[in-house]
Amino acid sequence: QSVLTQPPSASGTPGQRVTISCSGSSSNIGSNTVNWYQQLPGTAPKLLIYSNNRRPSGVPDRFSGSKSGTSASLAISGLQPEDEADYFCAAWDDSLSGWVFGGGTKLTVL
Amino acid sequence: EVQLVESGGGLVKPGGSLRLSCAASGFTFSNAWMNWVRQAPGKGLEWVGRIKSETDGGTTDYAAPVNGRFTISRDDSKNTLYLQMNSLKTEDTAVYHCATYGGSYSSGWYFDLWGRGTLVTVSS
Repeated sequence: QSVLTQPPSASGTPGQRVTISCSGSSSNIGSNTVNWYQQLPGTAPKLLIYSNNRRPSGVPDRFSGSKSGTSASLAISGLQPEDEADYFCAAWDDSLSGWVFGGGTKLTVL
Repeated sequence: EVQLVESGGGLVKPGGSLRLSCAASGFTFSNAWMNWVRQAPGKGLEWVGRIKSETDGGTTDYAAPVNGRFTISRDDSKNTLYLQMNSLKTEDTAVYHCATYGGSYSSGWYFDLWGRGTLVTVSS
């Protein structure tokens, strides 16, 4: 059971906009920044969004992040077949004194 | 090339021990705070622990499930991170990734660079 809650799956057709939610509590998302990672099949996770809404260089602006209270969201616009992957949210938890992750959302591009 | 390469995984019996290594290249390893993150087959990511740079004290922090059984260390002369795993349990079966920190106190921290991982299977 993951500390952060994500839907196990999401889907969309090419060109659509998809959002993935991440719900936490006051000790993690409520008091610290949220990061998002993309994991393509058989590969290491890759940083997608950091500090709630910032993109590392090289990440397309189709990917955006937001945070409100104890929840965060990842939005992917103009969905492309290569976006099919697992997506994880993460935040530092002050009560646990460690990083916590969501269980991951498997995105399928139909 | 900036990269992290893990090694040392394998099959071990419950109660056994294993030491993983993570070889770093392409960046100043001695300045980096390093982490281990694991992923059980078909499951999500789980933070294992971290070690600060020697400049920042070289101290370690661990997740509750591994505290007292796992030890993280580093050899800056070899640009290598280690994870000593003792008293292994079946639930420790996972791919173990090493990862660097990026960010700052003001903007927040994140896992910047990841290795592809090494598989540890704990089974009798």
